[in-house]
Amino acid sequence: DTAVSQTPKYLVTQMGNDKSIKCEQNLGHDTMYWYKQDSKKFLKIMFSYNNKELIINETVPNRFSPKSPDKAHLNLHINSLELGDSAVYFCASSPKPFGEQYFGPGTRLTVT
Amino acid sequence: EDQVTQSPEALRLQEGESSSLNCSYTVSGLRGLFWYRQDPGKGPEFLFTLYSAGEEKEKERLKATLTKKESFLHITAPKPEDSATYLCAVQAFDSWGKLQFGAGTQVVVTP
Repeated sequence: DTAVSQTPKYLVTQMGNDKSIKCEQNLGHDTMYWYKQDSKKFLKIMFSYNNKELIINETVPNRFSPKSPDKAHLNLHINSLELGDSAVYFCASSPKPFGEQYFGPGTRLTVT
Repeated sequence: EDQVTQSPEALRLQEGESSSLNCSYTVSGLRGLFWYRQDPGKGPEFLFTLYSAGEEKEKERLKATLTKKESFLHITAPKPEDSATYLCAVQAFDSWGKLQFGAGTQVVVTP
């Protein structure tokens, strides 16, 4: 059983399009996160939700909008995609808003 | 601002050749320091959490230690399957769980 899953695994799209990435965790955790890993492999947090409430919102363009329909799901919607949005996006979860986090397999987004 | 610096950037080892990776950090109130392993094309895999200076954790050939300014990940008698990028991250008390990652050390172990 996959603990943190993401769909799709790969996403190739053109500039200007809108796309979504879905994340689900079956660990019963309260807190979920989105991270971006750029071409230099540097991981940087974007958002965090605790019990469906936004608790971290880093300086991310407002084209990125997270949504948490329930504690087990955190989706990421991206409007008007730009070339610079190309990266690997990782979802993660933790039991509480501190402590170790468990990562999903990542979604590689390529914007052409 | 919290900062994490890992060295070296890359490390090539012969099987059985022990070595150490360094993670130096500055953080306003350390809640925890975390080590992860990342294989190509996969998500980071949690290894250890260290909470206070002097603490040590071990798992198979890996041992992590913590001081007030840095952490070391010692790899003893590595095997080719230990090849991966090792990531260090810090979490501050006032961070709402945010992990501040270093850039990682890429380790290649050759037979």
